[in-house]
Amino acid sequence: GENVEQHPSTLSVQEGDSAVIKCTYSDSASNYFPWYKQELGKGPQLIIDIRSNVGEKKDQRIAVTLNKTAKHFSLHITETQPEDSAVYFCASFSGTYKYIFGTGTRLKVLA
Amino acid sequence: GAGVSQSPSNKVTEKGKDVELRCDPISGHTALYWYRQSLGQGLEFLIYFQGNSAPDKSGLPSDRFSAERTGGSVSTLTIQRTQQEDSAVYLCASSPRQGWTEAFFGQGTRLTVV
Repeated sequence: GENVEQHPSTLSVQEGDSAVIKCTYSDSASNYFPWYKQELGKGPQLIIDIRSNVGEKKDQRIAVTLNKTAKHFSLHITETQPEDSAVYFCASFSGTYKYIFGTGTRLKVLA
Repeated sequence: GAGVSQSPSNKVTEKGKDVELRCDPISGHTALYWYRQSLGQGLEFLIYFQGNSAPDKSGLPSDRFSAERTGGSVSTLTIQRTQQEDSAVYLCASSPRQGWTEAFFGQGTRLTVV
């Protein structure tokens, strides 16, 4: 079935360092890959997304890369700050018209 | 409203009782999704509505779960004869159209079955 694997499940970095979260999807018909940030007690919020017709997208300190051949996509956060601490979810929009989410990465940025 | 609204924010119910969770999507959004998030877990797909098409119910875990979307807007998720394993945060999301676009999430309803 459709699934998205996400690694690591937890990640601790020092403030100012970079953080990388990786995802692998199974449905080759997937064409849209959003990343969501979820803070405690809140719903997930989109932070960046990428479509299948591009390989990389950047927005200030956040970037996402996509390798369609390998079915891999990654989130890169540079110059991490304490407010980046949250749970991050990757997702793929599948050929069956629903978002399939990874299991989440709890990021802790240590001051 | 400006965003997806879910009610109630928190619900405590006794095992065996029925519960209804409500979602008000962003006005004009044709796609609506329900997901379940168990403690410390990812988002589990439950059901998807798109316009007037038949909903995709493939994620509903049992026949105790059902959902409706009236008039293409408000949706209600109903859980009958609740069990302790139903305890989770139930998240609703809406999207302006099918695919290739952001899904906007509500704040969720935390359901606790005691």
